[in-house]
Amino acid sequence: GAVVSQHPSRVICKSGTSVKIECRSLDFQATTMFWYRQFPKQSLMLMATSNEGSKATYEQGVEKDKFLINHASLTLSTLTVTSAHPEDSSFYICSARDWGVGSGGTEAFFGQGTRLTVV
Amino acid sequence: SQELEQSPQSLIVQEGKNLTINCTSSKTLYGLYWYKQKYGEGLIFLMMLQKGGEEKSHEKITAKLDEKKQQSSLHITASQPSHAGIYLCGGYKLSFGAGTTVTVRA
Repeated sequence: GAVVSQHPSRVICKSGTSVKIECRSLDFQATTMFWYRQFPKQSLMLMATSNEGSKATYEQGVEKDKFLINHASLTLSTLTVTSAHPEDSSFYICSARDWGVGSGGTEAFFGQGTRLTVV
Repeated sequence: SQELEQSPQSLIVQEGKNLTINCTSSKTLYGLYWYKQKYGEGLIFLMMLQKGGEEKSHEKITAKLDEKKQQSSLHITASQPSHAGIYLCGGYKLSFGAGTTVTVRA
């Protein structure tokens, strides 16, 4: 099946710095990617929908200036956590749909996630 | 926005026993995903249901979609330790339910 690669898998940063997380679709083009945040023992919370070539659509309550999303190409979306604080520490995960021929855009593929720790 | 409610929140089952997880949507279901996750890891796609009445099976896992009831169920037959994890249902726009944590006791 299609593969979504997320990098880095773990990152530790100091308060006040910014961290960029990359999400790549390796063998298909993803016009739309999704970014989630997950707290311990909780489900995935959809943060935003990333659209190639246009602005991301953020869910209610998610700060646009805090979580910058860029979808510069059909295979890459990035999430930048700006001026990170300890409360931003979490597990972030991305997903993408394969709209290629034969796939129908039905199955969504997930990256392996990024564990962010802000100290 | 669509809200998905899963039940139970968690369950413990003896190895070899069956279990069922339910997912109820606040809106019409145009499609529903089932995923499995171990916390801190990525999601494993189980199956997607698109049509009312649709039922899919993979190995010992069966999922059904009841469009009228805006509900889907995931059934595991003869559970094994490998079935332990968090099961998530997701709507077509990939918003997720709270998840069901499954523990399989030997």
